[in-house]
Amino acid sequence: GDSVTQMEGPVTLSEEAFLTINCTYTATGYPSLFWYVQYPGEGLQLLLKATKADDKGSNKGFEATYRKETTSFHLEKGSVQVSDSAVYFCALSDPRDTGGFKTIFGAGTRLFVKA
Amino acid sequence: EAQVTQNPRYLITVTGKKLTVTCSQNMNHEYMSWYRQDPGLGLRQIYYSMNVEVTDKGDVPEGYKVSRKEKRNFPLILESPSPNQTSLYFCASREWVTDNSPLHFGNGTRLTVT
Repeated sequence: GDSVTQMEGPVTLSEEAFLTINCTYTATGYPSLFWYVQYPGEGLQLLLKATKADDKGSNKGFEATYRKETTSFHLEKGSVQVSDSAVYFCALSDPRDTGGFKTIFGAGTRLFVKA
Repeated sequence: EAQVTQNPRYLITVTGKKLTVTCSQNMNHEYMSWYRQDPGLGLRQIYYSMNVEVTDKGDVPEGYKVSRKEKRNFPLILESPSPNQTSLYFCASREWVTDNSPLHFGNGTRLTVT
């Protein structure tokens, strides 16, 4: 079945450093891909998404490009801030495989940003 | 404000004592779902609902029940909780069943079963 694998954390960076969080997926169909962010004590919220190959999702300085050839959707940000400290989840939804009933999440990557 | 509301935020209970976690959304969403979050495992789907009176099992349904009598509410019921159900639980909703719009999450319920 479909699956999502993302890099283990925690990732610790200094403020203004470059961030990459790797995410790869396995899917039988043509999934949409998402990054969700979870701040302390809160539920997940959508950070960005891409619905087809070569699409780039972007929001709040974060970007991710849907790469079908490498089945990847890596999250990047050029200059992180302390306020970016959170847990980041890569996810996919594949209506042609699961009828849209299921969103599959990676294990999450915790990011700490030091001032 | 559009939101998914879960209650309670924190719950400590003992093995075997029935409990219900409530979930309500004010966005008229068709699709609702329950997840549990455990370290290293990400989010795993417990049950989902495609509309009123239509529910189905997710990946980890054992020990849980749900109901969808009204479109806005989707309670999670643990008839006889056990310590392995200690977890962080999230309710989520989405506008339609079969599209790729994002999920909207509640703020979570941290359950401890002793």
